[in-house]
Amino acid sequence: NAGVTQTPKFQVLKTGQSMTLQCAQDMNHNSMYWYRQDPGMGLRLIYYSASEGTTDKGEVPNGYNVSRLNKREFSLRLESAAPSQTSVYFCASRGGLAGVFNEQFFGPGTRLTVL
Amino acid sequence: SQQGEEDPQALSIQEGENATMNCSYKTSINNLQWYRQNSGRGLVHLILIRSNEREKHSGRLRVTLDTSKKSSSLLITASRAADTASYFCAPSGSARQLTFGSGTQLTVLP
Repeated sequence: NAGVTQTPKFQVLKTGQSMTLQCAQDMNHNSMYWYRQDPGMGLRLIYYSASEGTTDKGEVPNGYNVSRLNKREFSLRLESAAPSQTSVYFCASRGGLAGVFNEQFFGPGTRLTVL
Repeated sequence: SQQGEEDPQALSIQEGENATMNCSYKTSINNLQWYRQNSGRGLVHLILIRSNEREKHSGRLRVTLDTSKKSSSLLITASRAADTASYFCAPSGSARQLTFGSGTQLTVLP
């Protein structure tokens, strides 16, 4: 099992460019998450998907869109990148029943720099 | 908010010593989880303690939970250089997602 995979690992964008970060999990998990982590800080939730076909905003959703393509894949799109979106982006997934929070599994992250 | 706050922000110890870090939170919880993040990597789940448990062990890790004080502690015994990482607590209650604090940066000196 690969667990949670993310592509790309690194990306440099110019202000105003768009891109999509890809995330996939092979653990048959229902819930998937996108976080960003700025230097020296904890993770902040951007969007999450409790199950296939549903998405909800997290703490910092502005400037982002997401798509839960199927049970395995959850993508994050930046429509018009801004320097404030320079960060490391982590995808995570979680199995189990809704309402009972068990462990999350994290991907290796995507380092994004917006010039 | 169910965000946990870790204390201290940074901790530096010698190899072989024990490391203790604390977590405080504000709302009622179902469980509390601890995660480790090595530099440049994603978070890795360490241990989960349920609200009706007071103490839990996993290898060199010992976690305690005091729901009356809304606090938890993570003890790493006989620390190693490989334990150098950031440690995050994540209290979990009725919310549908976990919220992470800024973490404790642990440095274990050889």
